[in-house]
Parts: sequence; C-alpha cells; structure tokens
Amino acid sequence: EVQLVQSGAEVKKPGESLKISCKGSGYSFTSFWIGWVRQMPGKGLEWMGIIYPGDSTTRYSPSFQGQVTISADTSISTAYLQWSSLKASDTAMYYCARAATVTTFDHWGQGTLVTVSS
Amino acid sequence: QSVLTQPPSASGTPGQRVTISCSGSSSNIGRNTVNWYQQLPGTAPKLLINSNDQRPSGVPDRFSGSKSGTSASLAISGLQSEDEADYYCAAWDDSLNGSVFGTGTKVTVL
Repeated sequence: EVQLVQSGAEVKKPGESLKISCKGSGYSFTSFWIGWVRQMPGKGLEWMGIIYPGDSTTRYSPSFQGQVTISADTSISTAYLQWSSLKASDTAMYYCARAATVTTFDHWGQGTLVTVSS
Repeated sequence: QSVLTQPPSASGTPGQRVTISCSGSSSNIGRNTVNWYQQLPGTAPKLLINSNDQRPSGVPDRFSGSKSGTSASLAISGLQSEDEADYYCAAWDDSLNGSVFGTGTKVTVL
C-alpha cells in the first residue's frame, strides 16, 4: 500500500527556519515525483513545486521560487520542504503528494499544519 | 491568483446531476490534460479524475470528466450526501512550467 506520512504540526515565530518532511513507503521512492501543495486557511490549493528523487530534478512554481527549498533523501525515502526565514503569511496546511506523472498527484500525505506567529 | 477559473459554488438535491466548469487558456488546458481532485471537509485532497476523463480505481462511475478546447468539466450524476466537498481542477501550464490548480468549487447537497 502506498503511504505518505508527513511530520507533525509546527508553531514557529517569524524569521525562524523550518524543515518539514514526507516519508514515502509501499512503492519505489526514486521512481516517482513528489510534490508539495499549500492550502492557506479557508483557501484553495496552490502547487508549490515537485522533485524527482531519482536524480533530484526540481521544479518550482514562480510564486514559490526562492521562497522555499524542496529536497529529498533517498536513503530514508523522505522528501522535505524547508524555509530559511518564515513569515506570518506562511501559515498554512502543507500537503505532499506522489505524482504518478508530473501533473497527477495520485497519493497524498495527511498534511502538516504550519503556524507562524509572534 | 489561479489561472484556472471555477465557479465558487454548485448545489443540487440528492439524485440530481451537477456540473462544474474549469476555464483555462491555450498554455494549460488547451495543450495539456486535466485532473480533478475532491477534498472532503478536514481531509487531504483525493484524485478523482485524471487525463481529462479517466477514473482511478475505486472512484464511483457517477463522476465523469470531459475537456473541450480550453475548458474542462466535471459531472456528478446521482448526487449523494457524501459528495459534499470542494472540487479542484488542475493542469500543467507551459508558460509557468509548472502545474496550476483551479480556484475550487464547493458542492453542497441540499
């Protein structure tokens, strides 16, 4: 069974750094893209970017380029989304998802709630 | 700001047919396939339709998708109470070199 398990909720202050994780199991981690999706409170889904763990190829939405970093560690089948300096506007639920094709998210993690507040 | 536009809401009584539109452009829907996702309240999204009109295993056949030109549609036939959710279209955008989601449609079962 394909599973994506994300790290737990985080509460951070503006300016702090953060790295959240997404561990894949039940499939070949290096053979599928993994993407990240943001959902701000009460709002819609936003595509942030994707990574192909097999060769670390990464693509970002123009809206998120330079704001976050997507990475992966194939030795532990885990993808990451990280910020170097959080802002209050980063408060959101973040989902990881396996991409059957670069555009099709066929399995999703449970989400990680990030709250940034002073 | 999404480049794929959906109506904010749609509704119907149990058993009715509801249709949701998704309007894009030549750089996204016009050139690439469309996927649809269902997000039940308080849960992660779920793939509902891929490649314009394909249902993944386990998705009831009352859900169907279509695409024409720069627009796509999701139809729910025989609406059920458990279909009350938010629905999002998505497609690759060649100009952005990334995928985009639609603005989302909240379906209410009256």
